[in-house]
Amino acid sequence: SQKIEQNSEALNIQEGKTATLTCNYTNYSPAYLQWYRQDPGRGPVFLLLIRENEKEKRKERLKVTFDTTLKQSLFHITASQPADSATYLCALRRSSASKIIFGSGTRLSIRP
Amino acid sequence: EPEVTQTPSHQVTQMGQEVILRCVPISNHLYFYWYRQILGQKVEFLVSFYNNEISEKSEIFDDQFSVERPDGSNFTLKIRSTKLEDSAMYFCASSFKDAGRNSPLHFGNGTRLTVT
Repeated sequence: SQKIEQNSEALNIQEGKTATLTCNYTNYSPAYLQWYRQDPGRGPVFLLLIRENEKEKRKERLKVTFDTTLKQSLFHITASQPADSATYLCALRRSSASKIIFGSGTRLSIRP
Repeated sequence: EPEVTQTPSHQVTQMGQEVILRCVPISNHLYFYWYRQILGQKVEFLVSFYNNEISEKSEIFDDQFSVERPDGSNFTLKIRSTKLEDSAMYFCASSFKDAGRNSPLHFGNGTRLTVT
């Protein structure tokens, strides 16, 4: 069956360090992969999208990589700040479908 | 910045009752979605909607569920006879293009449905 796994339920790191979150998938051939941020009691907010033919995408302090051989995406936040504390969701769309499927998320806490 | 709005923010209903959750998507968006999130669990796809019809639906979206775009601005999710396990946060989302054309989803802040 198709699965999206975000390896860590929770990640706790020191302010200023780089946070790295992992998204692995099985039995998918995604056309692209997206990352969203979700704060408690709020809807997900889109951050970045990377296509299957792209290796890396950057936006300010955020970087996403996409390895279709390993079936993995890494999401990095550099110079992390307490305001980056949230749950981060990876999301995939299969080539033949219109729906976007979400992973279970990684709860990131940045301590001052 | 335009946003997706959902009402009510919290709905409490008794088992067996019908509920209608309302959403106003972003005005120039063409594709509409409902997702749900049971407390502590992942965001789950329910249904996508385009051109006044359902594009795709999940196995969760059974005969108890229906969606409608009754006018040019609202998008509703109806649950005909609620069950305890329908208690969840329901998110509406919209996108300008099909999610299949790399368009990100814009989510509302959800309606928390509590079935007692």
